[in-house]
Amino acid sequence: AQSVTQLGSHVSVSEGALVLLRCNYSSSVPPYLFWYVQYPNQGLQLLLKYTSAATLVKGINGFEAEFKKSETSFHLTKPSAHMSDAAEYFCAANPIYSGGYQKVTFGTGTKLQVIP
Amino acid sequence: DTAVSQTPKYLVTQMGNDKSIKCEQNLGHDTMYWYKQDSKKFLKIMFSYNNKELIINETVPNRFSPKSPDKAHLNLHINSLELGDSAVYFCASRIAGVLTGELFFGEGSRLTVL
Repeated sequence: AQSVTQLGSHVSVSEGALVLLRCNYSSSVPPYLFWYVQYPNQGLQLLLKYTSAATLVKGINGFEAEFKKSETSFHLTKPSAHMSDAAEYFCAANPIYSGGYQKVTFGTGTKLQVIP
Repeated sequence: DTAVSQTPKYLVTQMGNDKSIKCEQNLGHDTMYWYKQDSKKFLKIMFSYNNKELIINETVPNRFSPKSPDKAHLNLHINSLELGDSAVYFCASRIAGVLTGELFFGEGSRLTVL
């Protein structure tokens, strides 16, 4: 079964520092991959997605992610953290062949803390 | 105009009671979901409907019964509430048949069972 692993349930960075949030998938066939962000007391919103068109994907708010098949990874980065980036981040996967069912599986989430 | 709206936003109730959460989307999507987010923020899919038809039913207790009166609405009824049902329940919708499609989430319904 498809699974998504996010290393580090909590990540702390200083304002202006690089943000790196890790995500690995487990399937032999690379799935479609997504990063979502959840601000306190809100629902999730899409940051970016990998659809096999390009391995480097740019998203909103200056975030980007690079798909690496050899490492089964889709890590999220941002060159310079801003206080407003503090939130919970979720990596998610949808199998390419899902039998017609659009089942998205989420990782366990990484809480990003930005220190002023 | 909210794309995916859930009501109520907060629910506090006693064990053994029955409660319902309602969800409506105005995006024209055919596929809708219920997700449960526990206290550790873990998100687990519960159900999915496509055009009023149940297509995903994870290992959820029978006390949980979804209902989709039309493709824009998906409700969740919970019988005989237990302490472990305390969580945030999210409704989401998506374009049908597009595996790369974005999930649009509601703001969540926080259920507290005392």
